Amino acid sequence: DAGVTQSPTHLIKTRGQQVTLRCSPKSGHDTVSWYQQALGQGPQFIFQYYEEEERQRGNFPDRFSGHQFPNYSSELNVNALLLGDSALYLCASSLLGGRNTEAFFGQGTRLTVV
Amino acid sequence: GNSVTQMEGPVTLSEEAFLTINCTYTATGYPSLFWYVQYPGEGLQLLLKATKADDKGSNKGFEATYRKETTSFHLEKGSVQVSDSAVYFCALSYRNFGNEKLTFGTGTRLTIIP
Repeated sequence: DAGVTQSPTHLIKTRGQQVTLRCSPKSGHDTVSWYQQALGQGPQFIFQYYEEEERQRGNFPDRFSGHQFPNYSSELNVNALLLGDSALYLCASSLLGGRNTEAFFGQGTRLTVV
Repeated sequence: GNSVTQMEGPVTLSEEAFLTINCTYTATGYPSLFWYVQYPGEGLQLLLKATKADDKGSNKGFEATYRKETTSFHLEKGSVQVSDSAVYFCALSYRNFGNEKLTFGTGTRLTIIP
């Protein structure tokens, strides 16, 4: 079992550009959540996808959008990048309705905006 | 809103020392409480959890007790090892299973010296 996989591992973008990050959930999981972890901070919830729809959203602007595919994998898109978007982006997968199933996290994508 | 406050780091201890990392929370109702660990270059891993008042979560020698009266979930270990060096995050959510969003503290970096 490969667990949660994210790509790419590192990315450098210029301010104003757009970026797409990808996540494949752990086998058997159907829900994907995205978190932003700024340097020295705890992860902040961005949004969650289940059945190809956004189910919950944190306090992030509309520049942050996502998508979930029929195979449960997910993308995070960020438009009009700002320097402040530089962070580690973490994907977590889980099983909706699964009793006592934990959220498994990927290793993250380190995004640097210059 | 919900929030988690963690002991400021970094924390440096000698091997076999006793560890306490303080965590308090602000939330309505009865959240579930978690400790996650992040080793260098890796994603978050669930260390332990507690889902109701007076529950004690434990794993790998670490323990934490859900104290509703003091809204706390302090992490303890009787004898730390060099391999315990990592960043530790306290978190809460409102369901027992992993598909509900997690609210994290800022993290505490722990370094154990031989």
